[in-house]
Amino acid sequence: NAGVMQNPRHLVRRRGQEARLRCSPMKGHSHVYWYRQLPEEGLKFMVYLQKENIIDESGMPKERFSAEFPKEGPSILRIQQVVRGDSAAYFCASSPYAGQAGELFFGEGSRLTVL
Amino acid sequence: ILNVEQSPQSLHVQEGDSTNFTCSFPSSNFYALHWYRWETAKSPEALFVMTLNGDEKKKGQISATLNTKEGYSYLYIKGSQPEDSATYLCGPGSARQLTFGSGTQLTVLP
Repeated sequence: NAGVMQNPRHLVRRRGQEARLRCSPMKGHSHVYWYRQLPEEGLKFMVYLQKENIIDESGMPKERFSAEFPKEGPSILRIQQVVRGDSAAYFCASSPYAGQAGELFFGEGSRLTVL
Repeated sequence: ILNVEQSPQSLHVQEGDSTNFTCSFPSSNFYALHWYRWETAKSPEALFVMTLNGDEKKKGQISATLNTKEGYSYLYIKGSQPEDSATYLCGPGSARQLTFGSGTQLTVLP
């Protein structure tokens, strides 16, 4: 059973471009979480999705950021018109359980660098 | 968003030493608390998920306790080994999200 797969592992974008980060959860997991780690900071919650639904997006910046988890395919975190401050490591985690009563399985992260 | 504090920020111990870290969080509206071990260049790996006041959990030489009334959890490592070197994250949270602390970075010297 493959773990949580994130790609690309490293992404370089120029200011104003779009970044798309993909996350394939573990098999059988229908709950996906995105966390961001800014330089010198801890993991910050961004969004919690279930298949085709956004459950909690209270950690997402109001503009330029969006996330989806379609019925088929990976979850995607999309950042439009990237700025230098978006440079960070973005981690995806999945779980077979609703809520936080079960452990999260994390991917190895996607590191975005904005030039 | 909860105010989560982990202490110490970093810790160096000798191989064979036992050590412990603290995670402090608001005690109101507690739902669950997670502990993760995060090695450099890898992904965070779950150690424990704790939900009940007074919970004690153990995995090998690592154990954790939880006090939801006063808002803290302790993580203990007995007889540390160099391979225990990692950042240990705690994350209390609601049913929808975890708020992670900044972690305790443990270095075990051979």
